[in-house]
Amino acid sequence: QKEVEQDPGPLSVPEGAIVSLNCTYSNSAFQYFMWYRQYSRKGPELLMYTYSSGNKEDGRFTAQVDKSSKYISLFIRDSQPSDSATYLCAMSWGAQKLVFGQGTRLTINP
Amino acid sequence: GAVVSQHPSRVICKSGTSVKIECRSLDFQATTMFWYRQFPKQSLMLMATSNEGSKATYEQGVEKDKFLINHASLTLSTLTVTSAHPEDSSFYICSGGTGDIFRGYTFGSGTRLTVV
Repeated sequence: QKEVEQDPGPLSVPEGAIVSLNCTYSNSAFQYFMWYRQYSRKGPELLMYTYSSGNKEDGRFTAQVDKSSKYISLFIRDSQPSDSATYLCAMSWGAQKLVFGQGTRLTINP
Repeated sequence: GAVVSQHPSRVICKSGTSVKIECRSLDFQATTMFWYRQFPKQSLMLMATSNEGSKATYEQGVEKDKFLINHASLTLSTLTVTSAHPEDSSFYICSGGTGDIFRGYTFGSGTRLTVV
């Protein structure tokens, strides 16, 4: 079993839809949770991060962490074609080393 | 914001030759540099962690003699793929860390290595 599981998609939704991206994990020691966005042939860029459980909102993006279920989510409201990318969840137990999910390829159709 | 410049963005080399990939942190000092490889439609796999001035720590299964990492300064780290083979073809990405787990993870733009 992988430490972090993420549905690779692809996921295709119409512009304006609410997108839900999810990851599950097995290591209960993870404390730091991050979402990265990666455009084709580019390095990932940090979108959002949270520590421990709870929600965090930044503009159209909301990150949720449920440590009891070992489940994290990223919601994108009012999705735009420019949101089309691969989204990777990543987590850590406190050391700098990150464990990444497989990434979900998202396409927003105009 | 923090920028990590990675070069080259794409390289094609012959089997048996060596290739060097450079990552420079342009506006911050990367005390730690992480090197990843990414296969198509797969996640980033950490290869090694290097701290400035000391030997790199390699992940299990990564050949240290094949993937040479040098982190001689706080702004430059290099990955050399020695005696490259077609199975080494992949997307290699560096990430500079400053010690802040959230702010320090600035990724380079990646290097697409093709070994023919």
